[in-house]
Amino acid sequence: GAGVSQSPSNKVTEKGKDVELRCDPISGHTALYWYRQSLGQGLEFLIYFQGNSAPDKSGLPSDRFSAERTGGSVSTLTIQRTQQEDSAVYLCASSFQGGNSPLHFGNGTRLTVT
Amino acid sequence: DAKTTQPPSMDCAEGRAANLPCNHSTISGNEYVYWYRQIHSQGPQYIIHGLKNNETNEMASLIITEDRKSSTLILPHATLRDTAVYYCIVRVVSGGYNKLIFGAGTRLAVHP
Repeated sequence: GAGVSQSPSNKVTEKGKDVELRCDPISGHTALYWYRQSLGQGLEFLIYFQGNSAPDKSGLPSDRFSAERTGGSVSTLTIQRTQQEDSAVYLCASSFQGGNSPLHFGNGTRLTVT
Repeated sequence: DAKTTQPPSMDCAEGRAANLPCNHSTISGNEYVYWYRQIHSQGPQYIIHGLKNNETNEMASLIITEDRKSSTLILPHATLRDTAVYYCIVRVVSGGYNKLIFGAGTRLAVHP
């Protein structure tokens, strides 16, 4: 079946511009997660959605980062006034609600800030 | 949060079993052990998870010691496509949802 879909797969932007990254979770998955992976680094948790609400935003690195989810499905991660240190692969994952449900990841959006 | 320790890298010959160890000596009674892998330029892929008992699926087997302080992921017949970074993760029990904290993992190289 269809997995987690992220778009665009690659994004190059100039420093100071805003970007929007999109995630389409697996149908029926109510939990949605955003992670970030910088070059050669591990995965860093950013934010978690349950339905349309985000009870855990603890990983967002600054107030330039925000995310929303509508209709309990698609999520958008927005980075305002991008900086070079924002360059990374942004990964989205979804799962069924429930403590032990495994996360299923998309292949990410590779963001390059020049 | 329970921490995990994995060797940074391992090698395995194609067709042989790959046994990837993980130490999680501070694991608590209700924390699960999860294994994911990440092939270059892809998102992490779920492999298997378990609590106390050994688990097996079409991808791998998970062996958890009786004291739950360590576990081993077994790929019974490694192929070149199994070359990846393998992450052992102990689930953080937080708010009832599955927030996974990834470490550095083990880079497995399968060679002909």
